[in-house]
Amino acid sequence: QKEVEQNSGPLSVPEGAIASLNCTYSDRGSQSFFWYRQYSGKSPELIMSIYSNGDKEDGRFTAQLNKASQYVSLLIRDSQPSDSATYLCAGRPEGSARQLTFGSGTQLTVLP
Amino acid sequence: ETGVTQTPRHLVMGMTNKKSLKCEQHLGHNAMYWYKQSAKKPLELMFVYNFKEQTENNSVPSRFSPECPNSSHLFLHLHTLQPEDSALYLCASSQDLAGTGGLDGYTFGSGTRLTVV
Repeated sequence: QKEVEQNSGPLSVPEGAIASLNCTYSDRGSQSFFWYRQYSGKSPELIMSIYSNGDKEDGRFTAQLNKASQYVSLLIRDSQPSDSATYLCAGRPEGSARQLTFGSGTQLTVLP
Repeated sequence: ETGVTQTPRHLVMGMTNKKSLKCEQHLGHNAMYWYKQSAKKPLELMFVYNFKEQTENNSVPSRFSPECPNSSHLFLHLHTLQPEDSALYLCASSQDLAGTGGLDGYTFGSGTRLTVV
């Protein structure tokens, strides 16, 4: 079973702080990773993708990938109450062109 | 219409009913998916279609029957469902970049909230 694991939370951070969301995966051959944001009652929305080891920055978001340790993280700088949502981590297993394996999500609450 | 649209948004059905969920994508993608999302559980892949051909069926019970008449439309036909089938059903699409390890993610529809009574 190829799994993606996330701490379900809830994770609470004060407004303006850095929120750190973590994800580990079991399939060492996974190549691509994605972070989705899902507001309550809404569908998942792609916010970051990462393919290479290291950091990838996009605005207030930074995705980090460490293939040797098999973890992916998402940092949200200057957290805002509007960032409060469930964040889903997903990986593309080796040998699969299309299928993504999702974690169960981490619920983030940014306190004003 | 843009993106991925799903209808209906909400559906309540009895265990003996037959209903269908509809998904339409306006992104020119060539792969479409059905996912099931239950509370506190990871998204579960149900079916994958690529160029209208079903390429994966993730051991889904036969009471769920997919149909993909063209690369833009995807249906999920439901019959004799069980209460445990109540969940959010999400349709998604992507551009197939097989063999490239490309960074295409999925675009999800708004989902159908299904309740089986």
